Amino acid sequence: QQQVKQSPQSLIVQKGGISIINCAYENTAFDYFPWYQQFPGKGPALLIAIRPDVSEKKEGRFTISFNKSAKQFSLHIMDSQPGDSATYFCAAAALIGPRQLTFGSGTQLTVLP
Amino acid sequence: NAGVTQTPKFRVLKTGQSMTLLCAQDMNHEYMYWYRQDPGMGLRLIHYSVGEGTTAKGEVPDGYNVSRLKKQNFLLGLESAAPSQTSVYFCASRYGTGGIYEQYFGPGTRLTVT
Repeated sequence: QQQVKQSPQSLIVQKGGISIINCAYENTAFDYFPWYQQFPGKGPALLIAIRPDVSEKKEGRFTISFNKSAKQFSLHIMDSQPGDSATYFCAAAALIGPRQLTFGSGTQLTVLP
Repeated sequence: NAGVTQTPKFRVLKTGQSMTLLCAQDMNHEYMYWYRQDPGMGLRLIHYSVGEGTTAKGEVPDGYNVSRLKKQNFLLGLESAAPSQTSVYFCASRYGTGGIYEQYFGPGTRLTVT
């Protein structure tokens, strides 16, 4: 049972455009929502994360929007650049117990020059 | 610091063969994880460890065993490899306390079972 659903599977954006990736979760015990970025041949690396006590978190060109009542969160990449081309994974974890991450299925982002 | 390293980077096995994947971290992290990554399925947790000498099952543990004899190492074993275990395997680690939840990933091991 997939507890974190991610869309779209792939996304093509022009340079300078806005990239938006969406995730929805089911488990109400989830209390930590990170986004990971993965380049080909590399392991995932943490990009940005949010706790549900805030509705938005911004770090540079990357913003997470969080809607607790809808159990949805999204990643916005402003002024998308070709160097942002990568696979993006949303994830969620409960902050009790071993806190293992449950990942979405991933979005392959291509930013055209 | 090397961070999280994985050995080997690539491996081809025949069905029924066994092998061990090694993960090592030099960040003194308490928690370590093994994931597999398959197209369209994200990363799925195989086994994890919350400290030296302890292991627990994740989402997809069947066909795998693990050991954490030393804090810095986490081994993943395949006793009798099957084609369904063809995948890219990632190890990750993180601190256990202090409110830091970021997992640090290794570069991955690409395993093909024929």
